[in-house]
Amino acid sequence: DIQMTQSPSSLSASVGDRVTITCQASQDISNYLNWYQQKPGKAPKLLIYDASNLETGVPSRFSGSGSGTDFTFTISSLQPEDIATYYCQQYDNLLIFTFGPGTKVDIK
Amino acid sequence: QVQLVQSGAEVKKPGASVKVSCKASGYTFTSYGISWVRQAPGQGLEWMGWISAYNGNTNYAQKLQGRVTMTTDTSTSTAYMELRSLRSDDTAVYYCARVGHGTCDYWGQGTLVTVSS
Repeated sequence: DIQMTQSPSSLSASVGDRVTITCQASQDISNYLNWYQQKPGKAPKLLIYDASNLETGVPSRFSGSGSGTDFTFTISSLQPEDIATYYCQQYDNLLIFTFGPGTKVDIK
Repeated sequence: QVQLVQSGAEVKKPGASVKVSCKASGYTFTSYGISWVRQAPGQGLEWMGWISAYNGNTNYAQKLQGRVTMTTDTSTSTAYMELRSLRSDDTAVYYCARVGHGTCDYWGQGTLVTVSS
C-alpha cells in the first residue's frame, strides 16, 4: 500500500504570510495527488486536483506543484478564512485512495 | 447543483451493523462513483472504499475487507454503506463523496455513527 506523509503536522502563520505544506508518497504516484481543505465540523472541500490544477471556484492564492513522490501545497497570502486542516490524497488506477495525516493551519 | 444528502445519526451497540445512505441529485448518478470516507473524533480522514454507480464494481480498504459492503440503487440515485460487527473504534463521522477522475469533488454532510454499549 502507498503511504502518505505530510509536514508540518501543524503551523501558525500571520495574515498575509506565504504558507507551504509538503506531502510525500512512499512510491511514485505520478501526478495522482489532490489537496483538500477541511474546516471544523464541515465536510472536506477539494482545492487542487492532479497535483497542480485549481478546482473551479477556488481562490487563486491556493496552488499545488510536484510529481512522482514529492508535492507542495502553497497559500500565497494567508487569509483568516483559510484556518483549516489541509489533507493530501493520492489515488491509483484502481481508485484506491490514501489520505495524508493532515496539516492544521492556524493564525498567529 | 450537485448535492449528496446523507441519512441521520445512528447509535449502535458493539457487534451490531449500521447502514448509511447517500442520496445524490443534480448530476447523472451512473456517470460517477461514490467513495466513503470516515473521520474518528479528532482524527484525520480514512478512505473506506469506492463503488462504481455505473456497474457496481467496488474496491474496499484492506482493513475493512469482510466488514463493509457498498451498494447503489440507480432507480433512486442512492448509495449505501453497511458496516458490520461494529466496535467502539468505528465511532466516527461517515462521509460519502462523488468520485470523478480520482477526486472526491462533492461531499455529503456527514453521518455520525456512535458505537457504545
